[in-house]
Amino acid sequence: QVQLVQSGAEVKKPGASVKVSCKASGYTFTSYGISWVRQAPGQGLEWMGWISAYNGNTNYAQKLQGRVTMTTDTSTSTAYMELRSLRSDDTAVYYCARDGGLYGDGMDVWGQGTTVTVSS
Amino acid sequence: QSVLTQPPSVSGAPGQRVTISCTGSSSNIGAGYDVHWYQQLPGTAPKLLIYGNSNRPSGVPDRFSGSKSGTSASLAITGLQAEDEADYYCQSYDSSLSALFGTGTKVTVL
Repeated sequence: QVQLVQSGAEVKKPGASVKVSCKASGYTFTSYGISWVRQAPGQGLEWMGWISAYNGNTNYAQKLQGRVTMTTDTSTSTAYMELRSLRSDDTAVYYCARDGGLYGDGMDVWGQGTTVTVSS
Repeated sequence: QSVLTQPPSVSGAPGQRVTISCTGSSSNIGAGYDVHWYQQLPGTAPKLLIYGNSNRPSGVPDRFSGSKSGTSASLAITGLQAEDEADYYCQSYDSSLSALFGTGTKVTVL
């Protein structure tokens, strides 16, 4: 079955970096993009950016430009999201989602989420 | 902060019909971009409920329907059931082709 499996929970200190992985299975990885979405405790969904698994093109949310990098490894069908210079307000559950992009059919498959806690 | 505005909460008795609005502008929904809807049950990842304004993925009950007009979109739930109690989010795009989520609506079944 089509699924996305994310890496485990992380605890980081302010100023550090975190890298979350998202392994895809059950579909042709390069036929879709991956969006990353985060949700702070008790808050709504925030889109972080999108990467094409076909050619690596990216589109990042303006507020995260310069702090976030999204990559893919097509040999292992895995997407990665790295966030640098972590702050306490980066504490959130981070999700990856299969996303066909602007002309696709929405974010139709989601990972289970990865909790990232930023605390001194 | 999101530029797609939803009511914070809506409620209804079992069997009733509720609607959730998603209000945008001419730079997002009104520019012709598709609207998608997601359901998030407590403690779980979001689930795609409606795509392309009004289409249901396989397995989504036909009690859920979506529509779009001008700078707004709506999600309707008919025959409300206890298991529909969840948070609902609309999603569209802006002129920089960035995805936007709505502010979210909590549906309570009375």
